[in-house]
Amino acid sequence: GENVEQHPSTLSVQEGDSAVIKCTYSDSASNYFPWYKQELGKRPQLIIDIRSNVGEKKDQRIAVTLNKTAKHFSLHITETQPEDSAVYFCAATVNDYKLSFGAGTTVTVRA
Amino acid sequence: DTEVTQTPKHLVMGMTNKKSLKCEQHMGHRAMYWYKQKAKKPPELMFVYSYEKLSINESVPSRFSPECPNSSLLNLHLHALQPEDSALYLCASSLRQEMNTEAFFGQGTRLTVV
Repeated sequence: GENVEQHPSTLSVQEGDSAVIKCTYSDSASNYFPWYKQELGKRPQLIIDIRSNVGEKKDQRIAVTLNKTAKHFSLHITETQPEDSAVYFCAATVNDYKLSFGAGTTVTVRA
Repeated sequence: DTEVTQTPKHLVMGMTNKKSLKCEQHMGHRAMYWYKQKAKKPPELMFVYSYEKLSINESVPSRFSPECPNSSLLNLHLHALQPEDSALYLCASSLRQEMNTEAFFGQGTRLTVV
């Protein structure tokens, strides 16, 4: 099955700086890569996703890049704000939506 | 309405009890999921229902029994659980299992087995 590795496990950034989280996946057939944000005590919420036919996608301060050859994808958050503090999970799946999640990155934005 | 609603929010049950978790969505989604999440860990897939039929069972012990009575409702029946089953149980739904679109998660049921 799919195996997703996520780094780093914790990330502390100064408000206004950028944050980058990296994930690698094992199954070359994976074609959908969502990123979820989970605030403490709350539900995971999709923040951005990318499909295998696209190399990069951006939504305001959030961007995701995908390198299919290297089998890795990354989340970039620019101009970080305190409300960006949360746990971020990457995931990968083939067509059956059997999401394999990374272990998570706890992001802390220091004011 | 882009909500997945789960009840109850919290549940404490003894190891001999029988209880049920409920999940409801009215977005017309035909794929519904149960996940288990332990503290500081990612969600782990338990079951997938597609068009009200069980599509994936991730080798979950039989003390967890899912049910999908109709396209809007998903239940998880619990019986003879163990303390290690204490976790946050998340329900999610998406448009179609095979389409790889956004999964909407409910707020979860925090289960404690005593």
